Amino acid sequence: GQQVMQIPQYQHVQEGEDFTTYCNSSTTLSNIQWYKQRPGGHPVFLIQLVKSGEVKKQKRLTFQFGEAKKNSSLHITATQTTDVGTYFCAGRGTNAGKSTFGDGTTLTVKP
Amino acid sequence: GAGVSQSPRYKVAKRGQDVALRCDPISGHVSLFWYQQALGQGPEFLTYFQNEAQLDKSGLPSDRFFAERPEGSVSTLKIQRTQQEDSAVYLCASSSRRGPADTQYFGPGTRLTVL
Repeated sequence: GQQVMQIPQYQHVQEGEDFTTYCNSSTTLSNIQWYKQRPGGHPVFLIQLVKSGEVKKQKRLTFQFGEAKKNSSLHITATQTTDVGTYFCAGRGTNAGKSTFGDGTTLTVKP
Repeated sequence: GAGVSQSPRYKVAKRGQDVALRCDPISGHVSLFWYQQALGQGPEFLTYFQNEAQLDKSGLPSDRFFAERPEGSVSTLKIQRTQQEDSAVYLCASSSRRGPADTQYFGPGTRLTVL
């Protein structure tokens, strides 16, 4: 079945440093979604990418979808303590109805 | 308002007990999803409803797990004869359109602990 891998599992940064998490699928995706889960909270939708090579920005966050639609990345510029949490990607296969979540990258930010 | 609500928020069960977890989706949302999230892992798909129809239950781990949404709004996930490996957070999500490709709004989850 479809597998979605995320790296790194954990990332510790100093406030102001940049952060990137990578998502790789074993199969071609029809779309990919990114979610953020704060400690003790539930996943909150951030963005959805659909087109090959798509790049979307939300303030300090930049999301990319690979040309082959099998990988994606989330980059945060100049991290802040409010960025703390676990970032999940969820990929939907071309034939499957459901999305498969990665295991997330947990970001901690030292002030 | 608004968001997806789930009850109870916490449930402790003795091994072998049956449990029922409730999800109230956002009003008018057509699609409803159940996920299981173990500590340190991403949500694992369990099942998906479009209105009252259960279109995909491929993620249910065993026949002890059963979900229903009889009137196309509130949903209940039932686990019979709970086992320790069932301990996890159970998340419900809803979306406004048909199909799982749309944005999913998650509830706060029910943390189930089986002793």
